[in-house]
Amino acid sequence: ETGVTQTPRHLVMGMTNKKSLKCEQHLGHNAMYWYKQSAKKPLELMFVYSLEERVENNSVPSRFSPECPNSSHLFLHLHTLQPEDSALYLCASSQNPVGTDTQYFGPGTRLTVL
Amino acid sequence: AQSVTQLGSHVSVSEGALVLLRCNYSSSVPPYLFWYVQYPNQGLQLLLKYTSAATLVKGINGFEAEFKKSETSFHLTKPSAHMSDAAEYFCAVSEAWNTGFQKLVFGTGTRLLVSP
Repeated sequence: ETGVTQTPRHLVMGMTNKKSLKCEQHLGHNAMYWYKQSAKKPLELMFVYSLEERVENNSVPSRFSPECPNSSHLFLHLHTLQPEDSALYLCASSQNPVGTDTQYFGPGTRLTVL
Repeated sequence: AQSVTQLGSHVSVSEGALVLLRCNYSSSVPPYLFWYVQYPNQGLQLLLKYTSAATLVKGINGFEAEFKKSETSFHLTKPSAHMSDAAEYFCAVSEAWNTGFQKLVFGTGTRLLVSP
């Protein structure tokens, strides 16, 4: 399998549930990202990892918890979410977290919080 | 902080017509600029990017964009639209963080509709 994959593609959860989103990149990249895409809003960058270390946390609520166990895998752990957290969550990777490097995106996980 | 403005949330064209999607940026330093496309139920895919080389940038699927510093613009064009071009298009600018890393700042997107 090539590129960036995400599982699950769709997730419905209650406000008291705990779930995790998974992302895997097969490109040999050093940087990985989580984005939130909500209707009629620009993509919001949530977290950036470089060489498995978190390098930025873009003021994201603590109910979102990222984990990067190695350079190929990225998780987003979710707990006690709110309905306004319903969105498409996109994972991306790039060779390095620098301006000229192209980011490659996965297909996203469509999250619905009831 | 850098920002991107995309004029028009929806653009409709007929098949075979010129496609023009507008993007204006705000940046205090020479910018790196990107156009991404998102097809239904998919992630974003890079169309083209400007990284301070040639001002006219050619991308995939026949798209191109011209960097105009005097107008702070990076409009996306294609001479002849295909039905398969129907998608959402995002303009983005690269912005530096305090840590020395850089992130993409995206516009709100323009949905391109192509009619037969």
